[in-house]
Amino acid sequence: EDKVVQSPLSLVVHEGDTVTLNCSYEVTNFRSLLWYKQEKKAPTFLFMLTSSGIEKKSGRLSSILDKKELFSILNITATQTGDSAVYLCGLTSGTYKYIFGTGTRLKVLA
Amino acid sequence: DTAVSQTPKYLVTQMGNDKSIKCEQNLGHDTMYWYKQDSKKFLKIMFSYNNKELIINETVPNRFSPKSPDKAHLNLHINSLELGDSAVYFCASTPQRGAQSETQYFGPGTRLLVL
Repeated sequence: EDKVVQSPLSLVVHEGDTVTLNCSYEVTNFRSLLWYKQEKKAPTFLFMLTSSGIEKKSGRLSSILDKKELFSILNITATQTGDSAVYLCGLTSGTYKYIFGTGTRLKVLA
Repeated sequence: DTAVSQTPKYLVTQMGNDKSIKCEQNLGHDTMYWYKQDSKKFLKIMFSYNNKELIINETVPNRFSPKSPDKAHLNLHINSLELGDSAVYFCASTPQRGAQSETQYFGPGTRLLVL
């Protein structure tokens, strides 16, 4: 059965810290791995990863995929209170299917 | 302009009632989805339509019936509402398969509370 497991489930850090969020997966027909940030409302897209070892960056956020070990990490450097959110990892499998993990709830304290 | 919109944003209703949630996307996407997100933020796919055709139907009670009158709209009707249906329901859309991006664009969500 296809599944996505995220860790840790929740994390509390102080502003300026660096955090690493983990996403491991099992899937029969991998197409891509997606990271989303969800604050109070709808998830917003961060990254899509399809190839191993190629880092994607956007400001203080970066992500990388390891298709051999079946995991991805999302790094956030110099965290700010605005980074507080639930971070969702999702997979696309087959033609149309999307599977999401339970998310990591990050809280950044001032 | 809102890319994916849902109505209503909030819905409070009694057990046993029938209710509908509507979704519209103005992105020209071919594929639309309904997700249910529980209180622990677990996002679970329910249905997917591609060009008005049902392509994914996960293990969802048959009290839930999606309808897609055209590829820009995907509505969700729920019969005989139960307490366990309380959740946030998200609509999402993606471009045609084979496009460069598989990014899903989410609507703002409909928060359903069944009393």
